[in-house]
Amino acid sequence: KNEVEQSPQNLTAQEGEFITINCSYSVGISALHWLQQHPGGGIVSLFMLSSGKKKHGRLIATINIQEKHSSLHITASHPRDSAVYICANSGGSNYKLTFGKGTLLTVNP
Amino acid sequence: NAGVTQTPKFRVLKTGQSMTLLCAQDMNHEYMYWYRQDPGMGLRLIHYSVGEGTTAKGEVPDGYNVSRLKKQNFLLGLESAAPSQTSVYFCASGANRGAYNEQFFGPGTRLTVL
Repeated sequence: KNEVEQSPQNLTAQEGEFITINCSYSVGISALHWLQQHPGGGIVSLFMLSSGKKKHGRLIATINIQEKHSSLHITASHPRDSAVYICANSGGSNYKLTFGKGTLLTVNP
Repeated sequence: NAGVTQTPKFRVLKTGQSMTLLCAQDMNHEYMYWYRQDPGMGLRLIHYSVGEGTTAKGEVPDGYNVSRLKKQNFLLGLESAAPSQTSVYFCASGANRGAYNEQFFGPGTRLTVL
């Protein structure tokens, strides 16, 4: 069974801090996804990656295929980064995703 | 392009009532999905479709039915609503991009069953 675990479940930071959210999965993947959900809002895709590292602005996603682990980093965090961050993987399927429970990030000014 | 739209945005039902949630996408995607999101749980797949005229069960299909008569629309039906179906429902559509299945989500429907 494909399982996706995220840590921590909740994270509170001060503006400007470096943030790391972790994701572990049990089944080998074709792609690992990171998504963002603002309170009361929709869900948007941040990254899709199958190896190495990707960067978009202050967000960086990394993946270690051998260890079945991915991290999402946010540099110079800002209150507008406050959201739920969700990890998902395809578990070998090319059209279905399994989602983690999400990490609620709160960045205080 | 509107992307993925969902109708309605909010709904309150009484136990035993029925309703249909409509999802529409204008990106010509083959794959469409219905998820539910509950506190403390990840998104869970209810039903999905890999093309017009096809549907398949996901992780939590009981109490729901779906139809995909047109490529751009995916309907989720509740025949006899139960309080356990109180949730936020998200529709998504997807496209294969090589190794990736990128999914685009609708804004969600908040359903309360009394």
